[in-house]
Amino acid sequence: KNEVEQSPQNLTAQEGEFITINCSYSVGISALHWLQQHPGGGIVSLFMLSSGKKKHGRLIATINIQEKHSSLHITASHPRDSAVYICAVRANTGNQFYFGTGTSLTVIP
Amino acid sequence: NAGVTQTPKFQVLKTGQSMTLQCAQDMNHNSMYWYRQDPGMGLRLIYYSASEGTTDKGEVPNGYNVSRLNKREFSLRLESAAPSQTSVYFCASSLRVGPGTDTQYFGPGTRLTVL
Repeated sequence: KNEVEQSPQNLTAQEGEFITINCSYSVGISALHWLQQHPGGGIVSLFMLSSGKKKHGRLIATINIQEKHSSLHITASHPRDSAVYICAVRANTGNQFYFGTGTSLTVIP
Repeated sequence: NAGVTQTPKFQVLKTGQSMTLQCAQDMNHNSMYWYRQDPGMGLRLIYYSASEGTTDKGEVPNGYNVSRLNKREFSLRLESAAPSQTSVYFCASSLRVGPGTDTQYFGPGTRLTVL
């Protein structure tokens, strides 16, 4: 049973395209995190959301708590955006984090 | 600031051998975590330490032990390694456990192979 599902699993885009990665979850949460894992393996936290929308540069993250869904958008994609994007949720009971399996993004010049 | 550091970066063990993975953070964080990452699966929590002096089991604790040596350091020990423990191990830290304060900062990972 996967508490966090991401789609698509793999995504290839041309440079400049608008990209959307989706995350759905099945548990009650207090926060949702988007992480980026570089090809070399390092993991960086991009956003933490509990409601609404956040923007950082070309990245935008939104969350709909009622629908248990979040999206990560990348505007004007660039080859350096190529990475695995991971959605994680903090359950609102206990101290458990649940992670999605990630979306592998490749941006072609 | 180095952030979160892990040693070693790579390790090959034979079945039954033991080893300790070391993790340290210099951000004065209270909480530290150990995860494993396997192909096709999300990160899975092995153990975490909400604060110095406390440790708790995560989703997949069997075959592992941990020690929160001090506020900076959190080690993961495999007493008798098994091929099923072949994985990439990540250490992470956060200011504390709890909504709004648990953005996690990850180490570079340790790639462990058990033959």
